[in-house]
Amino acid sequence: DAKTTQPPSMDCAEGRAANLPCNHSTISGNEYVYWYRQIHSQGPQYIIHGLKNNETNEMASLIITEDRKSSTLILPHATLRDTAVYYCIVRVPYTGTASKLTFGTGTRLQVTL
Amino acid sequence: DADVTQTPRNRITKTGKRIMLECSQTKGHDRMYWYRQDPGLGLRLIYYSFDVKDINKGEISDGYSVSRQAQAKFSLSLESAIPNQTALYFCATSGGAGIHEQYFGPGTRLTVT
Repeated sequence: DAKTTQPPSMDCAEGRAANLPCNHSTISGNEYVYWYRQIHSQGPQYIIHGLKNNETNEMASLIITEDRKSSTLILPHATLRDTAVYYCIVRVPYTGTASKLTFGTGTRLQVTL
Repeated sequence: DADVTQTPRNRITKTGKRIMLECSQTKGHDRMYWYRQDPGLGLRLIYYSFDVKDINKGEISDGYSVSRQAQAKFSLSLESAIPNQTALYFCATSGGAGIHEQYFGPGTRLTVT
């Protein structure tokens, strides 16, 4: 899996967009970008994934740069319930042996009133 | 109802005791995983199973065993618990090849005294 770099923490005002960056300069052509989050001591939650194109779902948008060396997760209208640690993961979706997830240290997002 | 459930949610046990953590899922997924999470160490894979007849060791399987009783059930046992197995344990499921997301249970907080 490619190495990822994320800022350790970010703050966001409630109702504003939260933009969480991730650098993955060693990404390979067949590796996807995944985002998960973990609210304190709860099970991690899948948010979104992408390969090359920008993606959007009901939770968030994922913007991947043209060279795929970095990406940004956007929570369009952050709420207090979005306070969590956000993990950016770069990996192939299926290795044939295991599809285990490896979380780094992530970005701790604090949403405030 | 939750798609992935874990029992018990909290457990305190003594060194040397045998303990079983249970996981059930209603998502109809073939793949199931057991992870442990320790502060500052992220998620580490203990065992994974791609179907009822397929069990594989993960990164840290020593001291643990598993049983895949059915497609929907995957149990983790600590044969003789030791204090450094104190951790948060998560079960997860995912679909077959090409399915990207893993769905996590709420976790079991295990304390070995």
